[in-house]
Amino acid sequence: QVQLVQSGAEVKRPGASVTLSCKSSGYTFNDYYLHWVRLAPGQGLEWMGIITPSNGIARFAQKFQGRVSMTRDTSTSTIYMDLTNLKSEDTAVYYCARGPIFDYWGQGSLITVSS
Amino acid sequence: EIVLTQSPDFQSVTPKDKVTITCRASQSIANSLHWYQQKPDQSPKLLIKYASQSFSGVPSRFSGSGSGTDFTLTINGLEAEDAATYYCYQSSGLPYTFGQGTKLEIK
Repeated sequence: QVQLVQSGAEVKRPGASVTLSCKSSGYTFNDYYLHWVRLAPGQGLEWMGIITPSNGIARFAQKFQGRVSMTRDTSTSTIYMDLTNLKSEDTAVYYCARGPIFDYWGQGSLITVSS
Repeated sequence: EIVLTQSPDFQSVTPKDKVTITCRASQSIANSLHWYQQKPDQSPKLLIKYASQSFSGVPSRFSGSGSGTDFTLTINGLEAEDAATYYCYQSSGLPYTFGQGTKLEIK
C-alpha cells in the first residue's frame, strides 16, 4: 500500500534551519510529483512547493523563495525540504503529499520555532 | 496566482442537514479543483477530485459539482463525524493554492 512516512517533530531557534524528510513506498517513486504543504496554528493549509522525483526539479511558492530548497534521493525514494532562517511564524505541521490530487499524505512533522 | 475563496468560513449545523460549501476561483481553472476534509491532529483526506469525481472509499453523502470558476461541495445527510475543516485546492496552474477553509461545527 502507498505510504508517505515523514521525519519527527523538531524544536528550532529563530534563525536556524530545518530539514524535513518524506519517504515513499508502495508505488513507483518517479511516477508522481510530491508536494509540501503546511498548517500553521489558527491558519489554513498552505501550499509550499513541488518536486519532480524523476529529475529533481522543484518549484516553490513565492513566499518561500530564497528560504526553501527541495531535493530527492531516488535510491531511497525520499524527498527532503530544507527551510532556512526560521521565524516563529514557521511554527506549523508540515506535510508531504502525492500529486497531482493529494490522494496520499504523510503523517505530518511538527516544527516549533521558539527562543 | 489563482485565489480560491470559500464560503462560508464557519457553519454550525445539525445532523441530517444538507450542507453546501462553495469555492470560487479568481480565474477559470476548468475542473482542476479538489476537496479535502481535515480533522484536528489528522492529515487531510481527499474527498472529491476534479470537481465532481468521488475518491475511493469516501461516503456517498459527499458530492462535488462545478467547473470554470464556481464549485460546490455538498454533504447530504450530515453525520456527527463530519465535524471538520474543509478545503478546496486548485491544481490548474502554479503556484497551486488552497481556499482558506470552512469549519463545520456540529450542534
